[in-house]
Amino acid sequence: GIQVEQSPPDLILQEGANSTLRCNFSDSVNNLQWFHQNPWGQLINLFYIPSGTKQNGRLSATTVATERYSLLYISSSQTTDSGVYFCAVEAGSQGNLIFGKGTKLSVKP
Amino acid sequence: DSGVTQTPKHLITATGQRVTLRCSPRSGDLSVYWYQQSLDQGLQFLIQYYNGEERAKGNILERFSAQQFPDLHSELNLSSLELGDSALYFCASSATEGWYEQYFGPGTRLTVT
Repeated sequence: GIQVEQSPPDLILQEGANSTLRCNFSDSVNNLQWFHQNPWGQLINLFYIPSGTKQNGRLSATTVATERYSLLYISSSQTTDSGVYFCAVEAGSQGNLIFGKGTKLSVKP
Repeated sequence: DSGVTQTPKHLITATGQRVTLRCSPRSGDLSVYWYQQSLDQGLQFLIQYYNGEERAKGNILERFSAQQFPDLHSELNLSSLELGDSALYFCASSATEGWYEQYFGPGTRLTVT
């Protein structure tokens, strides 16, 4: 089946720094999404981005489907950005959503 | 607060038992999605219902089943429980049939002893 790999697995930043999280996938996908899980466990759907670039405030995402990767940019990071960022891709005829293992981000004040 | 409610918040039960997890979507949302998050398997998509019909299926075990009722709430039934079923079970809802703009509930933590 399709493989989804995220890097780096862990990232520690000072508040105000910028970062780039990467998601590689092994096959063609129907769509790609980014999620954030905060330290208290709440999940938020950040982007639905099968291709192209989208921006939402300090966050933006780019997916290059032909090269099978997506990037999540976080600018001017804040402590509230801490948590785990998951990438997920839709593959197969039944619409299964496959998640990566996540990137754990810690933003220090 | 996402507007999605899940009950119960915590559930402790024994192996071999059966439990039902409940999800109430945001007002007006027609889609409900179920996810499982465990230390071993990570985050996994289980199943999606849209307006009462199964729309997408993921890694849902045969011992698990789900349904969406006419009032759009959904239930996830887990039977013949095993230790490995211990996990956080999330429900999400969306106004769309697809994957856009999912709003997640706080989850139900299931512990199987």
